[in-house]
Amino acid sequence: GAVVSQHPSWVICKSGTSVKIECRSLDFQATTMFWYRQFPKQSLMLMATSNEGSKATYEQGVEKDKFLINHASLTLSTLTVTSAHPEDSSFYICSARFPPRNEQFFGPGTRLTVL
Amino acid sequence: GEDVEQSLFLSVREGDSSVINCTYTDSSSTYLYWYKQEPGAGLQLLTYIFSNMDMKQDQRLTVLLNKKDKHLSLRIADTQTGDSAIYFCAYSGNTGKLIFGQGTTLQVKP
Repeated sequence: GAVVSQHPSWVICKSGTSVKIECRSLDFQATTMFWYRQFPKQSLMLMATSNEGSKATYEQGVEKDKFLINHASLTLSTLTVTSAHPEDSSFYICSARFPPRNEQFFGPGTRLTVL
Repeated sequence: GEDVEQSLFLSVREGDSSVINCTYTDSSSTYLYWYKQEPGAGLQLLTYIFSNMDMKQDQRLTVLLNKKDKHLSLRIADTQTGDSAIYFCAYSGNTGKLIFGQGTTLQVKP
């Protein structure tokens, strides 16, 4: 199957700092990538849809100024958590849409801990 | 609306079959998926079924789809301890997004 990587796999930062997470599709081009957030023992919550070359589409309740998404190429999308606070601590997972079946292949996730 | 329901927990003995069930509300779904998530990891696509199919078998995995009842199931034959994980069913809604169930934690006892 198609491979999606995420970097870093885990990060610890101080409150108030910004953290950038990268999502790469390694062996296919992805015009659409997705960013999810997962709390312990819960399902994935879609944060935003990242479209190559255009602005991301955010889900209701997700602050676009806090979670900056950039999809500058067909293989890379980045999520920047700006001015991170402890409540932003979570598991962030990206996925890339793989045509033609419209399935999504997921990255391994990034564990963010904000102190 | 878009909604997917799964039972939260299933416990089986090693070697038994596991059946994980899922119901959904959106009849416009084209593909339905089963994903596996191990602790601290992302989601691994296990299998998928096209909405005009009733059944799909892939080695130990059997997917059954009852489109009339909007019911999807995943059967794992000869369940092993390595199958212990959380299993999510999902479908592609008409917006192109994946709609996930809450996940079923499968516990396999030796």
